Amino acid sequence: GESVGLHLPTLSVQEGDNSIINCAYSNSASDYFIWYKQESGKGPQFIIDIRSNMDKRQGQRVTVLLNKTVKHLSLQIAATQPGDSAVYFCAENLDVQGAQKLVFGQGTRLTINP
Amino acid sequence: DTGVSQDPRHKITKRGQNVTFRCDPISEHNRLYWYRQTLGQGPEFLTYFQNEAQLEKSRLLSDRFSAERPKGSFSTLEIQRTEQGDSAMYLCASSRGLVETQYFGPGTRLLVL
Repeated sequence: GESVGLHLPTLSVQEGDNSIINCAYSNSASDYFIWYKQESGKGPQFIIDIRSNMDKRQGQRVTVLLNKTVKHLSLQIAATQPGDSAVYFCAENLDVQGAQKLVFGQGTRLTINP
Repeated sequence: DTGVSQDPRHKITKRGQNVTFRCDPISEHNRLYWYRQTLGQGPEFLTYFQNEAQLEKSRLLSDRFSAERPKGSFSTLEIQRTEQGDSAMYLCASSRGLVETQYFGPGTRLLVL
């Protein structure tokens, strides 16, 4: 199959375990952050988002933590399943003269081992 | 399916040819974005529309690239005189408004021979 990323940081976890994916962002003025999941040959799929006035947000099996002091974002996936295997990108929203532009991080390839 | 759609999904062309891609955003989303993604990288912003107005263009968008959204609904991205370096996945996204979630389409994979 097609490979989305050839030299990405990788994380392997056992099925059923929890996983944590980390991301550092660059702009202290960023006010909105999103995690996307991208499977091979597909477009990025929205997972969860968080605004800069929050430090934690929970979804179904996923939690995003935001630490504005050190400009760090993390995605926690609970009870991982084989379908969670994908490349995960964090993105920060930059407001450039009223335009909303997403700047993506490098991406992490998550592999769930059976 | 009411998500973002893109056409074609794959395009193979020879260097020097022109190509055009289409994006249909989620209905009633007034903002539409184009990104480019190369292997091993995250998507990179190219350009953005609010309704029919193109409001922002990246320096990545050379003179050979042009995008339109004539009626504020679907958008087209044209690449003239394609080069091998244009080979990439071209992604379209749409959002309801300012600082709202961008939802991506499946992308168009371009290969320039």
